[in-house]
Parts: sequence; structure tokens; C-alpha cells
Amino acid sequence: LAKTTQPISMDSYEGQEVNITCSHNNIATNDYITWYQQFPSQGPRFIIQGYKTKVTNEVASLFIPADRKSSTLSLPRVSLSDTAVYYCLVVAYNNNDMRFGAGTRLTVKP
Amino acid sequence: ETGVTQTPRHLVMGMTNKKSLKCEQHLGHNAMYWYKQSAKKPLELMFVYSLEERVENNSVPSRFSPECPNSSHLFLHLHTLQPEDSALYLCASSQDRALNEKLFFGSGTQLSVL
Repeated sequence: LAKTTQPISMDSYEGQEVNITCSHNNIATNDYITWYQQFPSQGPRFIIQGYKTKVTNEVASLFIPADRKSSTLSLPRVSLSDTAVYYCLVVAYNNNDMRFGAGTRLTVKP
Repeated sequence: ETGVTQTPRHLVMGMTNKKSLKCEQHLGHNAMYWYKQSAKKPLELMFVYSLEERVENNSVPSRFSPECPNSSHLFLHLHTLQPEDSALYLCASSQDRALNEKLFFGSGTQLSVL
């Protein structure tokens, strides 16, 4: 299983764009990159998933360079309600046993 | 509402008690999972069920006993727990285990062992 490394915490202000980068140097060919969001006392919630280049949905964008050794979750114009822990996971295509790291604790300030 | 319901939301038990956590998913999924989240620690995968069969047990102590009677229900039976077992226990489901399907989590059971 590819190990992921991401910053422990980040601070931002309302209305700013937030970029959280995750390193996964030993990612395998068939691995996908997946991000989850977790609020206090709740289970994690799926945000976005990608394999290469760029993926965008109504919540976020995910940028993956050609070597796929890192990825960046981009949250446009964050609000206070985006304060949460964000997890980067590398998941094998044929194995859905997801293992979470420590995550990045994002704090959005007014 | 994620379609995964866990009960109870909060549980306090003594070390000699026996209790059970319940999880129900209304999504028609075939795989279900138990995770443990201790304070300031990453989520730990405990058990994985696929089509009602246990497919993985990540070296979890025997005082935790899972049960999956059907594809919609998952239980975690607890007995003679230790204070260090106090944590948020999360249930999740996905369409299949073999495919790269996203996980849907419940809100968890906050367990305190006295």
C-alpha cells in the first residue's frame, strides 16, 4: 500500500482558495488517489477521486502531475464550514480496503 | 444523511459489560467495514465484510467480535473492553470491495470504557 504524506494542519481565511498537497512517492500503476473530508464527531465523506491530470466536481478540483507522485486538492473560495480534516488516500483498483493517514486539519478563519 | 445509520451514537460501558454496536446501510451495498478512530490517531481499519463474509481482520483483539447477518446489517460485539478501547467506532459501506468504490460512513458510535 502506498504511503501518503500531507501537512498536519493549515489555516486559511474565508473566500480564499486552499490547496492541500499530498505526497505518495511509491504509488503503483493501478492506484487511484482519493480525498475524504471529516467533520468532528462524524464519519469521513468522499470528496473527489482521480487517476491522472485534473478532475473537477462541484466541491473541489484534484490536480495530479504526470509522475503521479503527488496530488493537490484545491478548494475554491472556502467558507467557515469547510473547517475539517482532509484525508488523502491511495487506493488499489482491486482492493477497496482504504487505510487513512493522519490527514490535514484545515481551519478557516473569518 | 449518508444512508449508513449507526446506533447508539454514544455508549458508556464498564470493563465487565457486554454491549453491541449496530450498523445498517440502506444503499444496497455489498461490502461493509468497521473502523476505529482514537483521539489524535488515524482511522484504523478493523474488519471488512464482502457479501456477508469476513475477508479481513486486521489483528484486532478478540474482545471485538463482528457479525454480519446480511448485507444490510453489521454488528460489533464488545466484551471485557479496556479503557484504551475508548474511541469513535465508524461503520462504512461500499458497493463492492473489489472495485474502487467510494466509502459511505455512518456518524459513528462514541464509546467510553470506564
